[in-house]
Amino acid sequence: ETGVTQTPRHLVMGMTNKKSLKCEQHLGHNAMYWYKQSAKKPLELMFVYNFKEQTENNSVPSRFSPECPNSSHLFLHLHTLQPEDSALYLCASSLTASNQPQHFGDGTRLSIL
Amino acid sequence: AQSVSQHNHHVILSEAASLELGCNYSYGGTVNLFWYVQYPGQHLQLLLKYFSGDPLVKGIKGFEAEFIKSKFSFNLRKPSVQWSDTAEYFCAVTKETSGSRLTFGEGTQLTVNP
Repeated sequence: ETGVTQTPRHLVMGMTNKKSLKCEQHLGHNAMYWYKQSAKKPLELMFVYNFKEQTENNSVPSRFSPECPNSSHLFLHLHTLQPEDSALYLCASSLTASNQPQHFGDGTRLSIL
Repeated sequence: AQSVSQHNHHVILSEAASLELGCNYSYGGTVNLFWYVQYPGQHLQLLLKYFSGDPLVKGIKGFEAEFIKSKFSFNLRKPSVQWSDTAEYFCAVTKETSGSRLTFGEGTQLTVNP
C-alpha cells in the first residue's frame, strides 16, 4: 500500500472525449505531482502543486488541465487528447515541494483511440 | 538543461552475481540524488537517497549507492542479486534550487535469472 491512490487504473478514450484522472493521498503531504511515463522515455514531470497552489507547469499542452481542490486530492482533466498522449500517468506526493522524497501511486494507463 | 543518464537499458544477471547500475547527471551545482525501483505491476518505490554527508548511502534490500561528485555519478550497487530484484530501476536528481522537481533517467530494466 503506497498511500497514494489513483483511479481509474486503466482508461481508454476517444480523441473527442472528456475524462478526468483522480489522485488521493493519505500521507498528510502538502505537495502533489503529475508525471507522464511513455515507453522508452524518462518520466516527465507535468505539474507541481504545493499547498494547493500550482508551482510548476512543465510546458504541458492545455488539453491537460490539473485541479487541486485540497492538499489530499489532485485531478487531471483531459479533453481532445491525441494518440501520442497514450501513456502511464503517475501521481506522486511529498511532505512539501522542497527536496522531500516523493511517494508514487500505481498510475493510470491511458490509451487514446 | 539538466539531464540524467543511465548507461544500461537492460541488464541480465544470474542470481548471486554482483550488480552495478550507472547513473550520471549533468548539473554542476548542489544536487540531491535518488534511486527508485519499480517491480513488475507495482508502483515506483524509493530505494535510497542522498542529500548530504557520507557519500556511500545504504538503502533497502541490501542496495547501496555511491555519490562521486567529481564524476557526477551516483551508481547503484548490490553485492549479490536475487531473482526478486528483477525490476526497473530509475535514477533521479533534484537541484537544490528547484525544490522537489525530479529529473529522471531513462531507467534500467534488470532481469535476474534463477
